[in-house]
Amino acid sequence: DQQVKQNSPSLSVQEGRISILNCDYTNSMFDYFLWYKKYPAEGPTFLISISSIKDKNEDGRFTVFLNKSAKHLSLHIVPSQPGDSAVYFCAASGGGGTSYGKLTFGQGTILTVHP
Amino acid sequence: GAGVSQSPSNKVTEKGKDVELRCDPISGHTALYWYRQSLGQGLEFLIYFQGNSAPDKSGLPSDRFSAERTGGSVSTLTIQRTQQEDSAVYLCASSPWTGSGSSPLHFGNGTRLTVT
Repeated sequence: DQQVKQNSPSLSVQEGRISILNCDYTNSMFDYFLWYKKYPAEGPTFLISISSIKDKNEDGRFTVFLNKSAKHLSLHIVPSQPGDSAVYFCAASGGGGTSYGKLTFGQGTILTVHP
Repeated sequence: GAGVSQSPSNKVTEKGKDVELRCDPISGHTALYWYRQSLGQGLEFLIYFQGNSAPDKSGLPSDRFSAERTGGSVSTLTIQRTQQEDSAVYLCASSPWTGSGSSPLHFGNGTRLTVT
């Protein structure tokens, strides 16, 4: 039962353009959502998060949008840079008194930004 | 070091052998987590420790897997009688506490386990 899904295994974008990474979830108990970025041979690093009481959170070039009715979130990167090339994981947590570090991850999307 | 440290970085073992993976969390972080990432998959929660509370073992895939955290700091994940399906990258993470989503996890670089 895949509770968090990233349906696009890969995305290729030109430098300077917008990258949009999508994520869907099924568990309505999730109340906190995060994006992590992962380079090869390194652990994931936290990028940006959003609480379920919000529909948008922005941090520099990165913006996360949450549509609770559709159980969908997206990460926008604008402008995209070659250094953004990495695997991006969507994750969700919370609900039922569980630890906020007990995350359910999507399968990841490989983003490639071409110069 | 300032980050989460894991050792070894790579481990190749024969099927049926036991392995131990080590994690040194960030100093002062009370919460410690183990995840694993199988090839082409997302990260899968295994177990977490919070202070002196009983660990949440709900993600351990079988009784061959166990973990302990000594002195509230270093943790060891042990896999007994390894199987080929145990091959994965095992990631450790720590955070200051678990009570807020605004306290994200800090991951180590992982241990790549290959069972032959």
